[in-house]
Amino acid sequence: DQQVKQNSPSLSVQEGRISILNCDYTNSMFDYFLWYKKYPAEGPTFLISISSIKDKNEDGRFTVFLNKSAKHLSLHIVPSQPGDSAVYFCAASVGGGADGLTFGKGTHLIIQP
Amino acid sequence: DTAVSQTPKYLVTQMGNDKSIKCEQNLGHDTMYWYKQDSKKFLKIMFSYNNKELIINETVPNRFSPKSPDKAHLNLHINSLELGDSAVYFCASSQTSGSTDTQYFGPGTRLTVL
Repeated sequence: DQQVKQNSPSLSVQEGRISILNCDYTNSMFDYFLWYKKYPAEGPTFLISISSIKDKNEDGRFTVFLNKSAKHLSLHIVPSQPGDSAVYFCAASVGGGADGLTFGKGTHLIIQP
Repeated sequence: DTAVSQTPKYLVTQMGNDKSIKCEQNLGHDTMYWYKQDSKKFLKIMFSYNNKELIINETVPNRFSPKSPDKAHLNLHINSLELGDSAVYFCASSQTSGSTDTQYFGPGTRLTVL
């Protein structure tokens, strides 16, 4: 039972263009959403988050959009840079974070020069 | 300085053995977690500890036993290892167990059971 879904296993984007990574969720109790970035042989690194009371959060080149009615969130990276090539995980939590994060399967973003 | 560290990074062992993975965080966080990333790349929560006390235990076989000697450490002991235990195990920590507290992950331990 996948509560957080990332339906694109990989995405290839040209350097300088916008990268859009998508994530869908099924559990309407989720109230906090996060994006993590992961390089090979390293642990996930926190990138950006959004509370369910907001619909947009921006941090530099990274913007996360949340559409609660559609149970959908997306991560926009603009402009995309070579160092952005990594696996991006969408994650969500319910109430207290003690329940841990529920992760999607990840999307491998490849930035082409 | 590494915020969340795990040892060993790689662990290869035979079925039936007992092994431990250690995790330490130097962030002063109260809550620590163990996640398992299986062959299908799903990252799933296994345990979380808050101030040395277990606060969640997902449907994990009782062959897996977390031990928290102090709030900076959360070790994972695995008894009678099985082939299906092969995975990458990630330790993480957060300031508190609050839902908006960022979780910081260790580099992972790749466990291979032969």
